[in-house]
Amino acid sequence: NAGVTQTPKFRVLKTGQSMTLLCAQDMNHEYMYWYRQDPGMGLRLIHYSVGEGTTAKGEVPDGYNVSRLKKQNFLLGLESAAPSQTSVYFCASSYGLAGYQETQYFGPGTRLLVL
Amino acid sequence: AQSVTQLDSQVPVFEEAPVELRCNYSSSVSVYLFWYVQYPNQGLQLLLKYLSGSTLVKGINGFEAEFNKSQTSFHLRKPSVHISDTAEYFCAVSNLNTDKLIFGTGTRLQVFP
Repeated sequence: NAGVTQTPKFRVLKTGQSMTLLCAQDMNHEYMYWYRQDPGMGLRLIHYSVGEGTTAKGEVPDGYNVSRLKKQNFLLGLESAAPSQTSVYFCASSYGLAGYQETQYFGPGTRLLVL
Repeated sequence: AQSVTQLDSQVPVFEEAPVELRCNYSSSVSVYLFWYVQYPNQGLQLLLKYLSGSTLVKGINGFEAEFNKSQTSFHLRKPSVHISDTAEYFCAVSNLNTDKLIFGTGTRLQVFP
């Protein structure tokens, strides 16, 4: 099993450009999450999904959109990138909700630099 | 609302010395507590978790943590660290009323030879 994979690993964008980050999991997990990690701020939840076709906002959703068309994939989109979106993005998945004691499994991250 | 505080942003320690990474939480309901580890240039992985029962939880790589309800703490300990333990450690909290995991800001453990 590959677990949670993320594409791409690195990306440099210019302000105003758009891009999509892809997350894939092969563990048949219902729940998927997108986080951003910034120095001194830990991980902050951007959006999450509780099942195929559903999405919900997290702590810092502005400037991002997501889609979960297939159970195994969770896409994060930046429509018009801004320097404030320079960060490391992590995708995670879990069998159940975090509140139900479930462990989250993380991908290796995508490093994004917006110039 | 829940929150997690990791009191130390960096902890330097020599190899084979003991280490404690501190974590305090606030919550109005019963909580589930987690420690995740992030090795350089990798994603996070679960180290251990407290759900209920025994307050001393043992995890991977010789780490353990103790849940202290009266002090609202969940400190992580290892009696003898290795160079390979150099990583960032995140404490996290959730409860039955939420569908989210709340992370602390992380503690960077640097082990020196």
